[in-house]
Order: sequence, then structure tokens, then C-alpha cells
Amino acid sequence: AQTVTQSQPEMSVQEAETVTLSCTYDTSESDYYLFWYKQPPSRQMILVIRQEAYKQQNATENRFSVNFQKAAKSFSLKISDSQLGDAAMYFCAYQEYGNKLVFGAGTILRVKS
Amino acid sequence: EAQVTQNPRYLITVTGKKLTVTCSQNMNHEYMSWYRQDPGLGLRQIYYSMNVEVTDKGDVPEGYKVSRKEKRNFPLILESPSPNQTSLYFCASIPAGVKNIQYFGAGTRLSVL
Repeated sequence: AQTVTQSQPEMSVQEAETVTLSCTYDTSESDYYLFWYKQPPSRQMILVIRQEAYKQQNATENRFSVNFQKAAKSFSLKISDSQLGDAAMYFCAYQEYGNKLVFGAGTILRVKS
Repeated sequence: EAQVTQNPRYLITVTGKKLTVTCSQNMNHEYMSWYRQDPGLGLRQIYYSMNVEVTDKGDVPEGYKVSRKEKRNFPLILESPSPNQTSLYFCASIPAGVKNIQYFGAGTRLSVL
């Protein structure tokens, strides 16, 4: 079964600085999707960024970017110019085409002013 | 507005009292699923449905039932709730042909006393 591991239960970053959240996964498939979701205190699940495994180019969405290392099965999220509104729980997730999402345990990100 | 609607948002109940959490989507999505979120475990899939009258177990189906009589609705039924079902529940749906993104409901916080 596929698994997703987030080894950092909590991270802290100073406002305006950069932070990287780690994620590794295990799969024998070659075609799949990877996601980072943000969950603020409102509990809403917000899609931050997604990566298709067959694309070598790392996905970028404004201040959010990923470092996708397919051979190493690593998918880290970099948040640049951190803002107070970035404070949340972040989940890494794996999905085969059309199937369920498999989530990591989550990383709580705290942003210090 | 495209959305997945869950009700209720909060629910406190007692052991053994049957309850239903409703989920409805207005996007004509075929695939719908239920997840539960627990600290340190992330989100785990309970049940999913590929289409009307087609449902199947996810990773943690014990103690839950679902039905899919209409395309838009996918209720989660706890026939005899127990305290270990205290959790945060999410309903999600996926559009046909764009299976690399899931639309999440706002979540239901359930406490079973």
C-alpha cells in the first residue's frame, strides 16, 4: 500500500523568511499525483500546489514551490517570504489517477512576527 | 457556486445513537468519498463511490455505512457510534475527466460521548 511520511510534526519560521516542509512517499506506480494541502484553523482543506509525476519540472504557485525528486520519492514544499496567514497545518498527499488520496500525518507551521 | 456541502458542521452525540452526516455536491461529480482526520494520522478514507449505486470500502470502513442513491448525495451513516469515532470528517468529490483534484466539504466535527 502507498504511504506518505511527513517527518516534521511542527516547524517554525520567521515572517518574511523561507521554510521547507518535507514529505516522502512510497509507491511502485510510475504515474501519480502529489499534492500539498493547507488546513487553517477553520479546518477547510485548501489545495496549495500539485505535481504530476510524469512532469519533471517542479510546480510553482506564487510563493509556494516544490522540489520533486521522483527517484528518491521526495516531495518537499518551499514557502518563500512567509506570511502570518501561512500559519496552518500542511498535509502532503499522494493520488493515483482517479483514486483516493493518501495523506501524511501533517506538519504544523507556525509563523513568528 | 460549485461546492460540497456537509451537514452538520458540529455534532455531539452519545454512544449507540444512530446518526447521519449528509454530503451533497452541485457539480455533477461521479466520484465521492469520505475521510476522517485524526491527530498524528492525517486523513484516511472511509468509503468511496464511483457512481450511483456503486460504493466500496476505503481504509477504515468499520462502524460506518454509506449509500449513493442519487449522484449529488453521499451520506455517511453511523448506526451505533462509539467514542473511537470521535473525529473530524470530510466529504470530497472528483470531477470526471479531471481526476487529479478533489473538492472538499468544510468538515464535520463529531464527538461521541
